[in-house]
Amino acid sequence: GENVEQHPSTLSVQEGDSAVIKCTYSDSASNYFPWYKQELGKRPQLIIDIRSNVGEKKDQRIAVTLNKTAKHFSLHITETQPEDSAVYFCAASMGNAGNMLTFGGGTRLMVKP
Amino acid sequence: DAGVIQSPRHEVTEMGQEVTLRCKPISGHNSLFWYRQTMMRGLELLIYFNNNVPIDDSGMPEDRFSAKMPNASFSTLKIQPSEPRDSAVYFCASSLGGPHQPQHFGDGTRLSIL
Repeated sequence: GENVEQHPSTLSVQEGDSAVIKCTYSDSASNYFPWYKQELGKRPQLIIDIRSNVGEKKDQRIAVTLNKTAKHFSLHITETQPEDSAVYFCAASMGNAGNMLTFGGGTRLMVKP
Repeated sequence: DAGVIQSPRHEVTEMGQEVTLRCKPISGHNSLFWYRQTMMRGLELLIYFNNNVPIDDSGMPEDRFSAKMPNASFSTLKIQPSEPRDSAVYFCASSLGGPHQPQHFGDGTRLSIL
């Protein structure tokens, strides 16, 4: 089955700096890669996703890049703000109805004011 | 859009008792997922329903766990008998079109088995 590794497990940045979280996946057939943000005590919320037919996707301060050859994808947050502090999860799926999302272990991002 | 609704939000019970968690997916969504989240194991998929039919239950830990989806607007996850190691946050999520479409999570049920 799919295996998703996520790094780093914790990340501390100064407000205004950029943050990058990286994930690798094992199954080259995976083609759907969402990112979820989970604030303390709250539910995971989808913040951005990318499919394998594109290499990059942006939404305001958030961007995701995908390298299919290397089987890794990354989340980039620019101009970080204290409210970006949360746990971020990457996930991968083979994109068929029967193929589940496999989640990475999560990255705890702390943005210091 | 009320989102995915789970109940109860918190449950504390003694080991050996039956626990039933409930979920109402977003109206119109045809896929429903039950996840368990712990510090040690992260976010794990327990079971996935599509059009009310269980498609993948390989994540269900053991026979003490069972899940049903009697109709498109309701699902239950039952643990009987419960054990302390079942303590976790249980999330329900729904999507339109399967696991490779955006999944919307409920607020979760924090379960503590004493």
